[in-house]
Amino acid sequence: AQTIHQWPVAEIKAVGSPLSLGCTIKGKSSPNLYWYWQATGGTLQQLFYSITVGQVESVVQLNLSASRPKDDQFILSTEKLLLSHSGFYLCAWSWDWGAAEQFFGPGTRLTVL
Amino acid sequence: GDSVTQTEGQVTVSESKSLIINCTYSATSIGYPNLFWYVRYPGEGLQLLLKVITAGQKGSSRGFEATYNKEATSFHLQKASVQESDSAVYYCALSVATGGNNKLTFGQGTVLSVIP
Repeated sequence: AQTIHQWPVAEIKAVGSPLSLGCTIKGKSSPNLYWYWQATGGTLQQLFYSITVGQVESVVQLNLSASRPKDDQFILSTEKLLLSHSGFYLCAWSWDWGAAEQFFGPGTRLTVL
Repeated sequence: GDSVTQTEGQVTVSESKSLIINCTYSATSIGYPNLFWYVRYPGEGLQLLLKVITAGQKGSSRGFEATYNKEATSFHLQKASVQESDSAVYYCALSVATGGNNKLTFGQGTVLSVIP
């Protein structure tokens, strides 16, 4: 069975500080990976997707970056947090890019003060 | 771009009553999108409730149903008799697979509260 884990569960950070959020998928080789974000009171929107190791595509520009250093790992980061980065971050995976269904992790709650 | 609209931000229903959560969509991509209902129960992660990838078809799960209506561009979620355990946040979504990405576009979500 496949499992998806996100870390940390929650973060409280200061404006201007760096950030790194992680996601690991076990039980599936070469999954397609995605980052989604939901601002408080907003809608979930896709930020990044990755088809393979080392290859990440940006969907929305939010002064964030993503990397896929290993087949099963997806990292979301920034060097300087903004207040507008607060919200809920979800990692997801799918069997391949054409697969209709995506499977979501438990999410990370980020509060920027 | 693509968009999904859920008109009700919050719905309160008494147990055993019927439910409908409205969802309409707009997809600019060529072809018909895949349609989904995702649900987030209290304390749990986002999970798929049901999906329909063919226009005109109906999907069902856990007593919920939704029909892919391409003429009305709608995908309303219905249940004949709700239970308290159905209390959750429900998201309508569409996806279109293009250029290596299968991007999910979500509605704003509907908070369902079922009163015992």
